[in-house]
Amino acid sequence: GAGVSQSPRYKVAKRGQDVALRCDPISGHVSLFWYQQALGQGPEFLTYFQNEAQLDKSGLPSDRFFAERPEGSVSTLKIQRTQQEDSAVYLCASSLAGDYGYTFGSGTRLTVV
Amino acid sequence: RKEVEQDPGPFNVPEGATVAFNCTYSNSASQSFFWYRQDCRKEPKLLMSVYSSGNEDGRFTAQLNRASQYISLLIRDSKLSDSATYLCVVGYNFNKFYFGSGTKLNVKP
Repeated sequence: GAGVSQSPRYKVAKRGQDVALRCDPISGHVSLFWYQQALGQGPEFLTYFQNEAQLDKSGLPSDRFFAERPEGSVSTLKIQRTQQEDSAVYLCASSLAGDYGYTFGSGTRLTVV
Repeated sequence: RKEVEQDPGPFNVPEGATVAFNCTYSNSASQSFFWYRQDCRKEPKLLMSVYSSGNEDGRFTAQLNRASQYISLLIRDSKLSDSATYLCVVGYNFNKFYFGSGTKLNVKP
């Protein structure tokens, strides 16, 4: 597609519920990143894929967070047993190669109540 | 200490003014540098890459000072539409990118 597509755009989850956030990167983009952005803060790195390989997951805040990109294209970020501190905008970005900068999707705004 | 630090502002300037932001980074091995712009409740958008020799794109000039580990963004002839948060991004190994918290700019008529 023309841009990075994320869905859903908004998600309200009850505490303890599992959620799955989807990212559809720009076709052909090798690199895919997930970021978490809290209100008034810059995006914080969560994880990085190169094709289907998850090369860095050092930013995932706990083992409740899990990301996958099984075919090297669409990626899913899953959060199990959501907690209020998980409320944030989750941004996905893709890049042809890291040194070109990358394009962000519109994000998924997750609110845990 | 954060990897990337920025003055959060806000910088309140009149239309037509020149304004500059700095951003400092802690990792001397950093290899790539960018400025992103983020409008309220929108995703960040790439404004420009920053090269060692400095680069200009219209009213925007970005510079890198490796010795002092900072990058800068200069905006000339500010427009109302320049009002946004400007995020500094520093990367190394081309797969590890760190964002600053952003500098908020308000351009007033």
